[in-house]
Amino acid sequence: AQKITQTQPGMFVQEKEAVTLDCTYDTSDPSYGLFWYKQPSSGEMIFLIYQGSYDQQNATEGRYSLNFQKARKSANLVISASQLGDSAMYFCAMRVDYGQNFVFGPGTRLSVLP
Amino acid sequence: DVKVTQSSRYLVKRTGEKVFLECVQDMDHENMFWYRQDPGLGLRLIYFSYDVKMKEKGDIPEGYSVSREKKERFSLILESASTNQTSMYLCASSSPRTGVDEQFFGPGTRLTVL
Repeated sequence: AQKITQTQPGMFVQEKEAVTLDCTYDTSDPSYGLFWYKQPSSGEMIFLIYQGSYDQQNATEGRYSLNFQKARKSANLVISASQLGDSAMYFCAMRVDYGQNFVFGPGTRLSVLP
Repeated sequence: DVKVTQSSRYLVKRTGEKVFLECVQDMDHENMFWYRQDPGLGLRLIYFSYDVKMKEKGDIPEGYSVSREKKERFSLILESASTNQTSMYLCASSSPRTGVDEQFFGPGTRLTVL
């Protein structure tokens, strides 16, 4: 069975600093995709970044980067230069079967302090 | 832009009532999903559908059923609502044609069962 673990229920970071949100995953399937979503207080889920299991390079999207360590089964999200608008819940997710079967972690609540 | 809409943002029902949650997407996506979100548990998959009239059980299908008569519409049905079904319900859609096959989410329906 697939599982996502996010060990940080809540995190604080000072504005303009970088922050790392942890995600570890468990699967025996060699082909999978890892996703990060942001959920502001308004409730909508916003897709941030994707990493495929066969991708050689770590994914980056603007201020977001994914620190992918395959041997450790970790896919940590790094947010550089935090902004007040980054305050939200962040979910790590994994998909094994293409197009189906997403598994989400419990989420990390990030608070950015002015 | 992909748009996923849900019929209600907030819904209050009584125990034993039949409840319909509607989800519509406008991007011709093959896959549609229903999740419930509870604090500390992340998102849990209730049902998903990868084609019209097709459905697959997710992790927590008990007490729920679904209907997909048209490609753009995926309905979640609570046959006899109970208080433990009070939750946030999120609908999502996806398509392998997007490349990454990320899920696009609706705004959510917060259901309260009294």
